[in-house]
Amino acid sequence: DIQMTQSPSSVSASVGDRVTITCRASQVISSWLAWYQQKPGKAPKLLIYSASSVQSGVPSRFSGSGSGTAFTLTISSLQPEDFATYYCQQANDFPPTFGGGTKVEIK
Amino acid sequence: QVQLVESGGGVVQPGGSLRLSCAASGFTFSRYPMHWVRQAPGKGLEWVAVISYDGTKEYYADSVMGRFTISRDNSKNTVFLQMNSLRAEDTASYYCARNLRDAYETSADWGDWFDPWGQGTLVTVSS
Repeated sequence: DIQMTQSPSSVSASVGDRVTITCRASQVISSWLAWYQQKPGKAPKLLIYSASSVQSGVPSRFSGSGSGTAFTLTISSLQPEDFATYYCQQANDFPPTFGGGTKVEIK
Repeated sequence: QVQLVESGGGVVQPGGSLRLSCAASGFTFSRYPMHWVRQAPGKGLEWVAVISYDGTKEYYADSVMGRFTISRDNSKNTVFLQMNSLRAEDTASYYCARNLRDAYETSADWGDWFDPWGQGTLVTVSS
């Protein structure tokens, strides 16, 4: 199985900050990467797919980049509703696998 | 609007069985692969199983292979997860999720991205 490694595991940030989360795949996955946001007690929500395509309804402050084995999720200006845990997921090879998550906390 | 509603979770003893259901609405259910994804308490996400749009193909995570069975009833817009020989490590919230793209747009039988997700149903395996 492809291993997905996220860093950092947690980050403390303030409203208005630019936040970047990294995801690395254990082998090349081209652009077969998605990002999800999960708030406590809620289901995950798709933010980004195909590494950089923003899902409908997702604010423009969220962006994704990368290809091959290294990917980033960027929140350009952190808003109060963005404090959550973020997961990456690969769909290049079966089975689909997730990263361990990055918790974005209030500073 | 697109909606997925899971049901069937609960407390079960080790070795027992449980059947989860996921009722879909707001889209053409028979066009989409459907997934189950689980999350142990305080842990990350783990993909469990997927069924093709027409129910002819099923794929499973190694951790549940031979114990869990995914199925669907396109006439009732519902996907199921039959869980047998349950273990303590199966304790988790179970989410059903639609594949983002329908079967005609998705290149792989097992799908790709998950959207939307249901609210989840909690399964606790404990004696």
